[in-house]
Amino acid sequence: EVQLVESGGGVVRPGGSLRLSCGASGFIFDDYGMTWVRQAPGKGLEWVSDINWSGSNTHYADSVKGRFTISRDNAKNSLYLEMNSLRAEDTALYHCAKGQTYFSNWGQGILVTVSS
Amino acid sequence: DIQMTQSPSTLSASVGDRVTITCRASQSLSTWLAWYQQKPGKAPTLLIYKTSGLESGVPSRFSGSVSGTEFTLTISSLQPDDVATYYCHQYNNYPWTFGQGTRVEIK
Repeated sequence: EVQLVESGGGVVRPGGSLRLSCGASGFIFDDYGMTWVRQAPGKGLEWVSDINWSGSNTHYADSVKGRFTISRDNAKNSLYLEMNSLRAEDTALYHCAKGQTYFSNWGQGILVTVSS
Repeated sequence: DIQMTQSPSTLSASVGDRVTITCRASQSLSTWLAWYQQKPGKAPTLLIYKTSGLESGVPSRFSGSVSGTEFTLTISSLQPDDVATYYCHQYNNYPWTFGQGTRVEIK
């Protein structure tokens, strides 16, 4: 059974940083690209970033480009999202998802709240 | 960016009804569109990929189709378990984008 478990969220002040992690199990992690998708409270889904199987190719939404960095450690079956210069509008539930085109499995998400 | 205009935003129908949700893309997507279901308080789950491919384990009452740039998700016979918000998602061009969502309720 595929499992994706996010961690590392919390409350942070504007301008602060957080590092999200996503632990994967139940599939061959380095066979798949991975993605982060966020959902602001009461709102819809927003694609944030993705990374190919090896980590050599990444993409970012304009809203996070230059502030967020996606990475992965295939030896640890883990996906990461380093978030810097956080803004109030980054407040959301962050999901990791399996796949780099459509997303066949999603984690439950981890809440990031940016507030002073 | 490709805009995905999803309609309706809310839909109320009776059990057994045929339900249709539409996503219109601002440009051609070929067939690179997926549909997800999100139940309250839960993560989204994949229903349909590549316009009409039914994800394993998804009931056959769900189907997808396209006419030009208008994509459709159909539930052939609405069930109480289908109460959820549904999202379309294009993966033809970066940045990937989602529709605004359609909330489906039982009348």
